[in-house]
Amino acid sequence: GAGVSQTPSNKVTEKGKYVELRCDPISGHTALYWYRQSLGQGPEFLIYFQGTGAADDSGLPNDRFFAVRPEGSVSTLKIQRTERGDSAVYLCASSLTSGEYNEQFFGPGTRLTVL
Amino acid sequence: AQSVAQPEDQVNVAEGNPLTVKCTYSVSGNPYLFWYVQYPNRGLQFLLKYITGDNLVKGSYGFEAEFNKSQTSFHLKKPSALVSDSALYFCAVRAITGGGNKLTFGTGTQLKVEL
Repeated sequence: GAGVSQTPSNKVTEKGKYVELRCDPISGHTALYWYRQSLGQGPEFLIYFQGTGAADDSGLPNDRFFAVRPEGSVSTLKIQRTERGDSAVYLCASSLTSGEYNEQFFGPGTRLTVL
Repeated sequence: AQSVAQPEDQVNVAEGNPLTVKCTYSVSGNPYLFWYVQYPNRGLQFLLKYITGDNLVKGSYGFEAEFNKSQTSFHLKKPSALVSDSALYFCAVRAITGGGNKLTFGTGTQLKVEL
């Protein structure tokens, strides 16, 4: 079956612009996660959805970052007034349920470059 | 707070030799532990996990990992390395209680297997 997909694969934008990053989880997976991976670092947690609701958004760095999952499937990560420090690979993952033992399946990521 | 340490930025091994990639963790209470592998320009791929039970966990591609509670370690091992194993390896931890559903990753270890 299809894995987690993310679009676009690459996004180049200018400082101050607004961007949206999309994630399509594995069909039937109810839990969805966003992580950010900076160069030379491991992924860092941003936000987690169980169904349509954000169950934990403690990793969002500030109020310029926002994510939605209106129908409990596709999710969009939105970044307002982008800054150069936002440049990173944004990873999306999904798992069958939110059970702690369920492994998360990751998409290929969106590489965001803010000029 | 939960954390993971991968003390080696890079590990070099000759093909056919055994390999070990080290990981230590810190959580409140008992952990769920995971290993992921990342190939260039691709997403993280799940290798194996420790939930409970046998301290030696077997995973994909011949990899295994040993959970050691007293040393708070979860080292990744393989009896005979292949050149195709060369990739970036991440250890991750998740607290059974109190840590939410987020994974906390280490900074990664680059494995290089040479002929």
